[in-house]
Amino acid sequence: NAGVTQTPKFQVLKTGQSMTLQCAQDMNHEYMSWYRQDPGMGLRLIHYSVGAGITDQGEVPNGYNVSRSTTEDFPLRLLSAAPSQTSVYFCASRTQGALRNSPLHFGNGTRLTVT
Amino acid sequence: GENVEQHPSTLSVQEGDSAVIKCTYSDSASNYFPWYKQELGKRPQLIIDIRSNVGEKKDQRIAVTLNKTAKHFSLHITETQPEDSAVYFCAAGGNKLVFGAGTILRVKS
Repeated sequence: NAGVTQTPKFQVLKTGQSMTLQCAQDMNHEYMSWYRQDPGMGLRLIHYSVGAGITDQGEVPNGYNVSRSTTEDFPLRLLSAAPSQTSVYFCASRTQGALRNSPLHFGNGTRLTVT
Repeated sequence: GENVEQHPSTLSVQEGDSAVIKCTYSDSASNYFPWYKQELGKRPQLIIDIRSNVGEKKDQRIAVTLNKTAKHFSLHITETQPEDSAVYFCAAGGNKLVFGAGTILRVKS
């Protein structure tokens, strides 16, 4: 099993450009989420999904869109990149049991720089 | 929504000593409290977790305690080793898992 796979590993964008960060998991996890990590601020939840066709906002959703057309994939779209979106982005997934509290499995991250 | 505060932000201990990291949370509906370890340039990895129906959990040198009434939980690492040096994050929630800002732990040999 590959686990959670994120692409690309590194990306540089100019202000105003758009792009999609890819996330795929092969563990048949219902729950998937996106976090951004900035120095001194921990991990902040951007969007999450509890299953195909269902998405919801996290703590910092502005400037980002998501969709969940399949169980395996959960892409994150930046519509018009801004320097404030320079960060490391982590995708994470887990099973979605009745108690909703199983461990998150993280991908290796995408380091995004917006100039 | 949930708010998680984590202290201290940095912690230096001598090899063999114990380390304690504390977190408080605000939402009484939170029912899951994991702890993650992150080494430089790597992804966060789960080291231990606790659910709201349990007060304490131990795994070898690592233990976590939860006080639901006071809304705080703590990570205890005993007999620290240099390889324990990393950033540690607490988190609280359910569907929305909110993380603390992290603690940089340095174990001096």
